[in-house]
Amino acid sequence: GQSLEQPSEVTAVEGAIVQINCTYQTSGFYGLSWYQQHDGGAPTFLSYNGLDGLEETGRFSSFLSRSDSYGYLLLQELQMKDSASYFCAVRAADSNYQLIWGAGTKLIIKP
Amino acid sequence: EAQVTQNPRYLITVTGKKLTVTCSQNMNHEYMSWYRQDPGLGLRQIYYSMNVEVTDKGDVPEGYKVSRKEKRNFPLILESPSPNQTSLYFCASSLGQGTGEAFFGQGTRLTVV
Repeated sequence: GQSLEQPSEVTAVEGAIVQINCTYQTSGFYGLSWYQQHDGGAPTFLSYNGLDGLEETGRFSSFLSRSDSYGYLLLQELQMKDSASYFCAVRAADSNYQLIWGAGTKLIIKP
Repeated sequence: EAQVTQNPRYLITVTGKKLTVTCSQNMNHEYMSWYRQDPGLGLRQIYYSMNVEVTDKGDVPEGYKVSRKEKRNFPLILESPSPNQTSLYFCASSLGQGTGEAFFGQGTRLTVV
């Protein structure tokens, strides 16, 4: 079957750096995406890794290792507005290229 | 402005009364999906469509119907809603298999009493 694992909750301090990990088990892996969702809001796209390595977008970076079936989202210079849930999602050939979602990581930021 | 529009945003209905949640996208996307989100369970796919007149079941299709008669619209139909369908629903669209980016509607919070 297809599955993704990510921590349910992570706590960090404003201004710090936090890493949210995601491990996956899929057949026909195509790429790993990250989404942010604030309470009551819709998920919004943050980044996509189709190849191994690091993708950087401002304060956010995402990493993928296909050989380890592992990726992470790195958030730097944390701000209070980064308090949200973060989801990893995999697109896989064996699921008709539909996004398969992790259960989400709630990021709590303390001042 | 590129967007996915869902309606209504909030809906309270009674058990057994048929309802439709509409979804429309203006980006000419091929892929569209419906998800439900319940506390602690993340996003679970209900149905998806890879193009006009092509639909398929997701992980939790029981009690739902969809149609894709035109590319921009993908309505979700609950023929006989039950209280266990009380949830937050999202419609999403994406260009196709080669991208990890999906665009989501604002969500529909449905309560079935």
